Amino acid sequence: AQTVTQSQPEMSVQEAETVTLSCTYDTSESDYYLFWYKQPPSRQMILVIRQEAYKQQNATENRFSVNFQKAAKSFSLKISDSQLGDAAMYFCAYRWPGTASKLTFGTGTRLQVTL
Amino acid sequence: DGGITQSPKYLFRKEGQNVTLSCEQNLNHDAMYWYRQDPGQGLRLIYYSQIVNDFQKGDIAEGYSVSREKKESFPLTVTSAQKNPTAFYLCASSIYGSADTQYFGPGTRLTVL
Repeated sequence: AQTVTQSQPEMSVQEAETVTLSCTYDTSESDYYLFWYKQPPSRQMILVIRQEAYKQQNATENRFSVNFQKAAKSFSLKISDSQLGDAAMYFCAYRWPGTASKLTFGTGTRLQVTL
Repeated sequence: DGGITQSPKYLFRKEGQNVTLSCEQNLNHDAMYWYRQDPGQGLRLIYYSQIVNDFQKGDIAEGYSVSREKKESFPLTVTSAQKNPTAFYLCASSIYGSADTQYFGPGTRLTVL
């Protein structure tokens, strides 16, 4: 079974600094998708960034970027120039290949942003 | 505005009662999903549906039932057989296909009294 591990239950970063959230996963597949979702206090899940496993180039979305290491099965999220609004739970998710678009989530990392 | 709506936001249920959570989307997405979130855990898949009148069990389907009579709607019933139903429930939808991304509704908090 595919598993997703987020080993950092909590992280803290100062405003304007950079922070990296870790995620590792286990799969025997070669073609899959990985996601980072943000869950603010409102609890709605918001897509942050997505990575296709067949692409070697790391995905970026404004201040958010990933470090995708396929051989190591690692998928970390880097947040640059952190803002107070970045404070939230962050979940890493693995999407099974094929048309059944099931997601397996990690347990999340709570990010605090301090002044 | 296109999006996913869930109602109600908060729901209270007495033990032994069935309750239905609503999920509607106007994104013209083919696939819809129900997840459960417990404290300290990630989301776990309950049921999903790729097309109308078809759905599959997820990882924790016991004690739940769903229907998919319309493309826009995917209600979830939490039955009295669900032993520990107090949780946060999230609905999601996506375009059917291998490259789809799931988008989530605002969630429903269910509390069993």
